[in-house]
Amino acid sequence: GAVVSQHPSRVICKSGTSVKIECRSLDFQATTMFWYRQFPKQSLMLMATSNEGSKATYEQGVEKDKFLINHASLTLSTLTVTSAHPEDSSFYICSARAGEGNTIYFGEGSWLTVV
Amino acid sequence: QQQVKQSPQSLIVQKGGISIINCAYENTAFDYFPWYQQFPGKGPALLIAIRPDVSEKKEGRFTISFNKSAKQFSLHIMDSQPGDSATYFCAPKGPSGSARQLTFGSGTQLTVLP
Repeated sequence: GAVVSQHPSRVICKSGTSVKIECRSLDFQATTMFWYRQFPKQSLMLMATSNEGSKATYEQGVEKDKFLINHASLTLSTLTVTSAHPEDSSFYICSARAGEGNTIYFGEGSWLTVV
Repeated sequence: QQQVKQSPQSLIVQKGGISIINCAYENTAFDYFPWYQQFPGKGPALLIAIRPDVSEKKEGRFTISFNKSAKQFSLHIMDSQPGDSATYFCAPKGPSGSARQLTFGSGTQLTVLP
C-alpha cells in the first residue's frame, strides 16, 4: 500500500532553536498534505493543509510564522517549528492524499521534545 | 460546534468478545466514513471505511454499520484479540469546503484482555 514517511521520528532540540520535520510520499504523488499535532491521549488536531506549489492553509489558532510549512514538490512537505519552546513538545503527524480521492495515508509521526 | 462525537472514551473487552465503538456526526455534507487505528507512538492507519450508499461493510473481523438517518456509524470488532488493543478514531469527511478534511473524533482506547 501507499507509504508516507516522516523524518526524523524523534528529535530533541534546545529552546529557541528551529527544527524541521519532513514528510514524504514514497510511491505516489501527494497533491495535498496535512499536518497534525497530537498530545498524549488526545485526538489529532489539524494544524494546516499543504498544497503543492501554493501557500499552506492554517487552521484557526495556529501561528503560521511559528509553524512554517513548505510543499515544494508532489512528494515532499516540510514543517519547521521556529524558535521552539517546551510547550511545542508534541507528536507531529503528517498525512497525504493522492489526487482528489478519499484515501488519506498517514506518516509514522515525529516526536518533538524541546528542552 | 462539536461535529463528531465518539463513544465510549475507553473500552475493555475480553479476548474473543465483541468491541463496539460509536460515532455520531452533525455535518450532513460528510460522505466518507472511515475508522482509523492508532498504536502508541505511531501514526493512524486506515482500518475500514464506508460510503453512505451502503448500510454495512465487513472486512474480516471488522464491520462498519452506518445509519444515515440517525447520522451515526459504528465499528464492530468481532473475536477481539489482544493485538487489537489500540486507540480507534472515527474521522468522517466530505467532498468540499470545511468538510473536505478528516474530522477526527476524540478517540476510543480499546484494551483486549488475554
